[in-house]
Amino acid sequence: ILNVEQSPQSLHVQEGDSTNFTCSFPSSNFYALHWYRWETAKSPEALFVMTLNGDEKKKGRISATLNTKEGYSYLYIKGSQPEDSATYLCARGAATDSWGKLQFGAGTQVVVTP
Amino acid sequence: DTGVSQDPRHKITKRGQNVTFRCDPISEHNRLYWYRQTLGQGPEFLTYFQNEAQLEKSRLLSDRFSAERPKGSFSTLEIQRTEQGDSAMYLCASSLLLAGLRDTQYFGPGTRLTVL
Repeated sequence: ILNVEQSPQSLHVQEGDSTNFTCSFPSSNFYALHWYRWETAKSPEALFVMTLNGDEKKKGRISATLNTKEGYSYLYIKGSQPEDSATYLCARGAATDSWGKLQFGAGTQVVVTP
Repeated sequence: DTGVSQDPRHKITKRGQNVTFRCDPISEHNRLYWYRQTLGQGPEFLTYFQNEAQLEKSRLLSDRFSAERPKGSFSTLEIQRTEQGDSAMYLCASSLLLAGLRDTQYFGPGTRLTVL
């Protein structure tokens, strides 16, 4: 894998259901993995920065895991609410890149319906 | 509001015109980044500054693009002789340099450019 890829591209979730989606990235030269939530007409909001294999982070009903050896991260939303509707972006920082450059995936658009 | 701000939020221009966007980072942040997002893609890195020094430019940044951060505070991104392919969302982010790639980048709301 050469690029950061996110799947699925979009998903629809019923309010109250839990869901998860994937970010795949090149495992070589991995340094950090960032997750952002981007609601329409707003600024992307930082959720997590993860660096170590096996890292787990949690913020309210949202959590994320990281596997740096195989190059993937999962983001979980527990008990989805309409306010969770957003595009979720992941971004990888590579040790071989300059210390300012993040490589983003195209995002997973989540729509939570009441 | 102490977040990252960008101006304007929307810009419509005719092909061949020059446009300039402004980004005001979080005040104590010494790093500032520009990204571009086109339809269906994630944000793509364009350039970044540490204080007033421009440390890296992407190959995406053609000669028609120039970015400045004259006093290490706000930044401007200018596009000369705009083309329809320049239509995109231009995002600015800032961070406080502590741990390099582990530093959280805080984003502004973006400037949506439409070139007719």
